[in-house]
Amino acid sequence: DAGVIQSPRHEVTEMGQEVTLRCKPISGHDYLFWYRQTMMRGLELLIYFNNNVPIDDSGMPEDRFSAKMPNASFSTLKIQPSEPRDSAVYFCASSLSFPGEGSHEQYFGPGTRLTVT
Amino acid sequence: DAKTTQPTSMDCAEGRAANLPCNHSTISGNEYVYWYRQIHSQGPQYIIHGLKNNETNEMASLIITEDRKSSTLILPHATLRDTAVYYCIAAPGGSYIPTFGRGTSLIVHP
Repeated sequence: DAGVIQSPRHEVTEMGQEVTLRCKPISGHDYLFWYRQTMMRGLELLIYFNNNVPIDDSGMPEDRFSAKMPNASFSTLKIQPSEPRDSAVYFCASSLSFPGEGSHEQYFGPGTRLTVT
Repeated sequence: DAKTTQPTSMDCAEGRAANLPCNHSTISGNEYVYWYRQIHSQGPQYIIHGLKNNETNEMASLIITEDRKSSTLILPHATLRDTAVYYCIAAPGGSYIPTFGRGTSLIVHP
């Protein structure tokens, strides 16, 4: 398996533009997580899905952020409109079972480095 | 989740054992100790976890004190590729999503 795939790896956009980040989880994994990492705040959980259904989006910073998972092999994180403070590395991760229930491993993608100017 | 305290940075010579400490003095009975690491420009990677007993896998060993207030992650033969930020997390095992703090930046030098 190729692991968790994210695209693009780097994104530079201007303030006010829409940004869409993409993630393909590992086949067979039924949990998908979106994280954001910055120097100031470290690694933060934004939202996670179970079987394509959003379970907890309490980490989503504001209404400008939205995430979808239309099928088991694809998820998007959208920021509209983007702002400079959204600049960060965004990670997608997947797991076979809920962390803590036997299989404790989350597999992370390589991340998307977003820069909003 | 119980608060964990780790040194900001450590260094280790290649080939030697790297011992990374973690304090979790407020850990409760149902909370596990998890370790992840993040190599530069990559996503975090799960290493090991434990509740009470010491654990070992192909990557590392986890030593938990009898009172469970602290633990040590041991990389028995550190290599340059083990240079990373190591995160210690104490959280319940039943419905746990890792909350990453600042971690320890381990530098393995030749």
